[in-house]
Amino acid sequence: AQKVTQAQTEISVVEKEDVTLDCVYETRDTTYYLFWYKQPPSGELVFLIRRNSFDEQNEISGRYSWNFQKSTSSFNFTITASQVVDSAVYFCALSEWEAQGTGANNLFFGTGTRLTVIP
Amino acid sequence: SAVISQKPSRDICQRGTSLTIQCQVDSQVTMMFWYRQQPGQSLTLIATANQGSEATYESGFVIDKFPISRPNLTFSTLTVSNMSPEDSSIYLCSASRLAGIGNEQFFGPGTRLTVL
Repeated sequence: AQKVTQAQTEISVVEKEDVTLDCVYETRDTTYYLFWYKQPPSGELVFLIRRNSFDEQNEISGRYSWNFQKSTSSFNFTITASQVVDSAVYFCALSEWEAQGTGANNLFFGTGTRLTVIP
Repeated sequence: SAVISQKPSRDICQRGTSLTIQCQVDSQVTMMFWYRQQPGQSLTLIATANQGSEATYESGFVIDKFPISRPNLTFSTLTVSNMSPEDSSIYLCSASRLAGIGNEQFFGPGTRLTVL
């Protein structure tokens, strides 16, 4: 079964608009971590944030904010006042405690959301 | 963070040949991983590269097709053997300083492979 769902395949916004990227996950573990990565056109994945399952506090970092809600198994990512440099594919990923036997911090990635910010 | 480089950055290969991709980390790391990203798709873990022992492969990936080496704590190679067009993908190396969930993985720039 797919463990991380990013229902939005592609999103386009005009510069300075706010945009929210959705991530819904599935796990039977009580201990897990969620991540967001950015993949710009250059191809390299850039780590954005990590959140553990026991910390539901929302986090803000500059124009980026994350909303973690265990009740709905969601970990959504909002970019405020988007910029052209935000154009990239964004991946949400899950690391489960029970997966350690197959390789420690194994990451299950969602299918990604391609964000295009139009100037 | 860790800086990861991969060689080659891209290659075009003929069916039936093999390609070895190198991954170099700028500092010692505990864990190294190899992922495949097929065109327009997400990342799938191929294997965990273990230093001093055989790699741990995920379901659907076998050592004969994707032999992996990890001679030390900063270097690993992935070979794509007997290639077919279906192997055309981006192959990414990642590393984590510590084992265990929750430790962030740093990714290399990827190797874009096209098999004709």
